[in-house]
Amino acid sequence: EVQLVESGGGLVQPGRSMKLSCAASGFTFNNYDMAWVCQAPKKGLEWVATISYDGSSTYYRDSVKGRFTISRDNAKSTLYLQMDSLRSEDTATYYCARDYSRFDYWGQGVMVTVSS
Amino acid sequence: DIQMTQSPASLSASLGETVTIECRASEDIYNGLAWYQQKPGKSPQLLIYNANSLHTGVPSRFSGSGSGTQYSLKINSLQSEDVASYFCQQYYDYPYTFGAGTKLELK
Repeated sequence: EVQLVESGGGLVQPGRSMKLSCAASGFTFNNYDMAWVCQAPKKGLEWVATISYDGSSTYYRDSVKGRFTISRDNAKSTLYLQMDSLRSEDTATYYCARDYSRFDYWGQGVMVTVSS
Repeated sequence: DIQMTQSPASLSASLGETVTIECRASEDIYNGLAWYQQKPGKSPQLLIYNANSLHTGVPSRFSGSGSGTQYSLKINSLQSEDVASYFCQQYYDYPYTFGAGTKLELK
């Protein structure tokens, strides 16, 4: 059974940093691209970033380029999202998802609140 | 960026009814389209990919169709467990983009 479990969310002040993790199991992690998708409270879904199966390629939405970094550790089957210079508009639930072009499996999500 | 326009924003239907949700892309996305279901407080779940392929374990009352810029999700014989929000997503090109969602309620 595919499982994705996020961790690392919480309350953070504007301008500060936070790192999210996603532990994967139930599939061969290093065979798949992985992604982060966010959802602001009561809002729709937004793709944030994707990393290729081997970590050699990364893709970001414009609003997070230069502030967020997606990475992975295939030996640990873990995906990461380093979020720097956080803004109030980054407040959202962040989901880790397996990116098989479509997002075929999702984690339960972790809430990130950016507020002073 | 490819814009995804989803309609209607909300929908009320009776048990056993057939409902259809539409999604229009701002350019041809060559069937690179997925549909997701999200129940309150839960993460989204994939229903349909490649516009018309049913994801593993999804009931056959869900179906997808369309091509070019116009796509639709149909739910036959609506069940109570289908009450949820539904989102379309294009994965033809980065940045991947989603429709604004359709909230489906029971009449």
